[in-house]
Amino acid sequence: QSVLTQPPSVSAAPGQKVTISCSGSSSNVGNNYVSWYQQLSGTAPKLLIYENNNRPSGIPDRFAGSKSGTSATLGITGLQTGDEADYYCGTWDSSLTAYVFGTGTKVTVL
Amino acid sequence: EVLLVESGGDLIQPGGSLRLSCAASGFTLYGYSMNWVRQAPGKGLEWFSYITSSTSTIYYADSVKGRFTISRDNAKNSLFLQMNSLRVEDTAIYYCARVRGSGMSYYYMDVWGKGTTVTVSS
Repeated sequence: QSVLTQPPSVSAAPGQKVTISCSGSSSNVGNNYVSWYQQLSGTAPKLLIYENNNRPSGIPDRFAGSKSGTSATLGITGLQTGDEADYYCGTWDSSLTAYVFGTGTKVTVL
Repeated sequence: EVLLVESGGDLIQPGGSLRLSCAASGFTLYGYSMNWVRQAPGKGLEWFSYITSSTSTIYYADSVKGRFTISRDNAKNSLFLQMNSLRVEDTAIYYCARVRGSGMSYYYMDVWGKGTTVTVSS
């Protein structure tokens, strides 16, 4: 049972924008930095965003992260068919003394 | 190229033991904290163990505490996971990942292996 809640799925047409929310609490999102991971079908997760809004080298600026209070958001603009994947938020939980992942969101390009 | 390669996954009976390995290449394991994450079939990601470079700090999720042991051999550039008293619910793909961030508040995983499959079934 994850402590971070994400919508099960989001969808949009190619070229459009989607946003994925990640809702937590003061022990995790509220007081720690959030990262986002992309998992294409049948592959290992890949880091997309770290420390709330930083992109690793090679990640296009179509992917953007933000955080406000106990919620974080991943935005994907200029949606492409290659963006179809599962997306997970993650952060340290100071109360659980554990890293926690969100429930995951499946992005579908219509 | 920075790589992590897991091995050791197998089909094992409930109550059995298994040891997973994670070999690093393209970088020196020493100096990095590491962790294990698993994913049950059709389910989401589950973090379950973390170890610092010096092994001075180790964390486990409650789901594996007392049954799994994380360890590392920096000289061999390898991370390990000893799994005992395996249960059907431990069936998953097991990933090792490199941990970054200047403190637990900044924790993120920047390099992941492709995973190794553990199936616990009679």
